[in-house]
Amino acid sequence: QQQVKQSPQSLIVQKGGISIINCAYENTAFDYFPWYQQFPGKGPALLIAIRPDVSEKKEGRFTISFNKSAKQFSLHIMDSQPGDSATYFCAASMAWGYSTLTFGKGTMLLVSP
Amino acid sequence: GEEVAQTPKHLVRGEGQKAKLYCAPIKGHSYVFWYQQVLKNEFKFLISFQNENVFDETGMPKERFSAKCLPNSPCSLEIQATKLEDSAVYFCASSPRGDLDGYTFGSGTRLTVV
Repeated sequence: QQQVKQSPQSLIVQKGGISIINCAYENTAFDYFPWYQQFPGKGPALLIAIRPDVSEKKEGRFTISFNKSAKQFSLHIMDSQPGDSATYFCAASMAWGYSTLTFGKGTMLLVSP
Repeated sequence: GEEVAQTPKHLVRGEGQKAKLYCAPIKGHSYVFWYQQVLKNEFKFLISFQNENVFDETGMPKERFSAKCLPNSPCSLEIQATKLEDSAVYFCASSPRGDLDGYTFGSGTRLTVV
């Protein structure tokens, strides 16, 4: 049973465009939703995270939108740059982040120059 | 900067051989987590430690996998009698308090079982 479903699998966006990646979860006990960025040969790096007491969180060009009733959350990358080309993983956890991560299957983003 | 150091970067083992992976957490981080990334993308949690004590081992296939975190030594993940399906990248992460805001992942060990 896949607890966190991520889409699309891959995404091509032009430089300057908006990249949108979506995730849906099933377990209502999840209460911490991070996004990770992974470059080839590297471990995932925390990009931004949200807790369900807010519906949106913005850090620079990266925004998480969170819809608790729909059990969905999404990552928006504004003004996408070639350096953003990487694999993005959504994840979910319980206990306000004091628990293990359940990852989505990843989205490979390519930002064309 | 501070990083989680994983060794070796690559490991090749014949089926049935033992594999041992190491992880040095960031100094001062009390929590260590092991994840397995298979099929290029799918992550699976294996085990976590709070200092030298097992914190959560719900993901560990106990028949062949074991892990330790001993004082003043790198943490280790050992696979006895490796199988082809153990081929994956094994990531270690450490955290100062156990919360995910403080998680830092290492660069992983790629295990190939032939």
